Amino acid sequence: DTEVTQTPKHLVMGMTNKKSLKCEQHMGHRAMYWYKQKAKKPPELMFVYSYEKLSINESVPSRFSPECPNSSLLNLHLHALQPEDSALYLCASSQDGQGGELFFGEGSRLTVL
Amino acid sequence: TQLLEQSPQFLSIQEGENLTVYCNSSSVFSSLQWYRQEPGEGPVLLVTVVTGGEVKKLKRLTFQFGDARKDSSLHITAAQPGDTGLYLCAGVRSGGYNKLIFGAGTRLAVHP
Repeated sequence: DTEVTQTPKHLVMGMTNKKSLKCEQHMGHRAMYWYKQKAKKPPELMFVYSYEKLSINESVPSRFSPECPNSSLLNLHLHALQPEDSALYLCASSQDGQGGELFFGEGSRLTVL
Repeated sequence: TQLLEQSPQFLSIQEGENLTVYCNSSSVFSSLQWYRQEPGEGPVLLVTVVTGGEVKKLKRLTFQFGDARKDSSLHITAAQPGDTGLYLCAGVRSGGYNKLIFGAGTRLAVHP
């Protein structure tokens, strides 16, 4: 069982919808990550939060908006997405933001119609 | 071009065969990690290697970090259908970088 919990597991949304992906960890980790993974490709880093501050934004379009309410929670707010944004969105955590071992959630499968 | 090159990209073998997956770079890494990802799930960490020349064993899996810390390999002995998945190497470059870089992955299928 993964110790990083993501909800929802599946999400279908239209291009005008606003939705959010949620991620929670209780391992006391101080860094949390959002990755995007397209079919048959490796995960691509989107955002890194370290000690609740955004430390890396990999030039992600503003229609993706991350939020870290506290050290255990990470959200990804979605608005006006495009069909090409359909992918598996993975949350991960690590002890700190120094490139250490990542613990991934099972992912949220997003389909944009 | 990928900073971490994995080969082969795809591997389809019969149960009981041995195989080796490679992860190569021209850069030096302070550590390398190997993950396995099954369909519909997130990657799961298998091992981290940090010392040049290090060898780690995890049941039928043997991981090696190159002496110069630029490459790594994963050897599976007597593969089982349960080994099927996407194997990803990932590393942190030496020199103050703090971002984990993933290779493109090796997709392994083990047939009964």
